[in-house]
Amino acid sequence: DIVMTQTPLSSPVTLGRPASISCRSSQSLVHSDGNTYLSWLQQRPGQPPRLLIYKISNRFSGVPDRFSGSGAGTDFTLKISRVEAEDVAIYYCMQGTQFPHTFGQGTKLEIK
Amino acid sequence: QVQLQESGPGLVKPSETLSLTCTVSGGSISSYYWSWIRQPPGKGLEWIGYIFYSGNTNYNPSLKSRVTISIDTSKNQFSLKLRSVTTADTAVYYCARVRSITAAVDAWGQGTLVTVSS
Repeated sequence: DIVMTQTPLSSPVTLGRPASISCRSSQSLVHSDGNTYLSWLQQRPGQPPRLLIYKISNRFSGVPDRFSGSGAGTDFTLKISRVEAEDVAIYYCMQGTQFPHTFGQGTKLEIK
Repeated sequence: QVQLQESGPGLVKPSETLSLTCTVSGGSISSYYWSWIRQPPGKGLEWIGYIFYSGNTNYNPSLKSRVTISIDTSKNQFSLKLRSVTTADTAVYYCARVRSITAAVDAWGQGTLVTVSS
């Protein structure tokens, strides 16, 4: 299985300031079709996860443009340009390149 | 907008079979991968498996010997059976939709907590 490792596991941030979460995979996520199937999910307390970003950097429908994704190969980053109160959540990266699909451990975003 | 809703018993005895159904509304069950994902209390997410609308399946090897996912396109439903459960199978079980061109989970049910206990 591909192991997804996120850092940090907890991130206290100030409202209005940027935040960044890293995700590293144990092997390249480049699929044989040339695509890289790395997505980011947000899980607010008591809610199911919600898709934010797919294929590294594509924002899903309705996702604010303060969220952005980047990276390639085995190293990926989710950035929030200006953190808002509603962004308090656990963030997961997920690889869809190889079965079984696997998730990172999650990064808890908290407000300072 | 597609909606997914899990249903099934919230309590299962050890060694018995966990059975859940997901009803899809607001969209066709065709042309997508339909998945089950679980989350033990306070922990992260684990992929259980998926079924394509045609009936093709793919299971997590860690659960493969105990899992069956099936689909009923006439009812817009798909189901999960997990046999010989233990307390380690206690989790919130989510049904979800995966779009093949993105391999991302773009729709989730609210989740249902299944507790394994005698």
